[in-house]
Amino acid sequence: EPEVTQTPSHQVTQMGQEVILRCVPISNHLYFYWYRQILGQKVEFLVSFYNNEISEKSEIFDDQFSVERPDGSNFTLKIRSTKLEDSAMYFCAPNPGGPDTQYFGPGTRLTVL
Amino acid sequence: QKEVEQNSGPLSVPEGAIASLNCTYSDRGSQSFFWYRQYSGKSPELIMFIYSNGDKEDGRFTAQLNKASQYVSLLIRDSQPSDSATYLCAVNPYGGSQGNLIFGKGTKLSVKP
Repeated sequence: EPEVTQTPSHQVTQMGQEVILRCVPISNHLYFYWYRQILGQKVEFLVSFYNNEISEKSEIFDDQFSVERPDGSNFTLKIRSTKLEDSAMYFCAPNPGGPDTQYFGPGTRLTVL
Repeated sequence: QKEVEQNSGPLSVPEGAIASLNCTYSDRGSQSFFWYRQYSGKSPELIMFIYSNGDKEDGRFTAQLNKASQYVSLLIRDSQPSDSATYLCAVNPYGGSQGNLIFGKGTKLSVKP
């Protein structure tokens, strides 16, 4: 199981502010996913990366969201102008061997006030 | 709409008993199936994955898949209080390089000492 860390563990922000969530360190992962889980609800797919490009994205992943791999190892998820409904746990999930068997990071709890 | 359905529970079993968790999925072409365990406030932890019809055993856990009935289950033998958690069923209905998972809402399991 690959070691994954996510920072920050908890982010509190005001509505309309930008937030950047990080997944570190990541190496040798071809496939990479972001999911979110609103409190009490299902885990939902946001976006996937394959070979440093967006592979798939859900309808949740609108123009307010973006993903980057700024330095070749870390992955970031940016929300440009947060809304109250963006409050959720955000998980990164790499999988080293292929598209399946995704291992979730510890998550970032995002609270939008 | 690709759906994964689980009974939300709670499912309560005495310590030492067999816990049986069930999941149905809507997309008949789904190829891979996963069970995650999620403790309250934590990220999903991959327990098992199964691709072929039949049973797959790993320690106290057995996953069962019936593609004709679009049904996957997880049996936990000799249940322990530490098994008390929410169990998430996840399905990859896409296959190939598209690995984003569809999750059920989870079944909450309570193992009573």
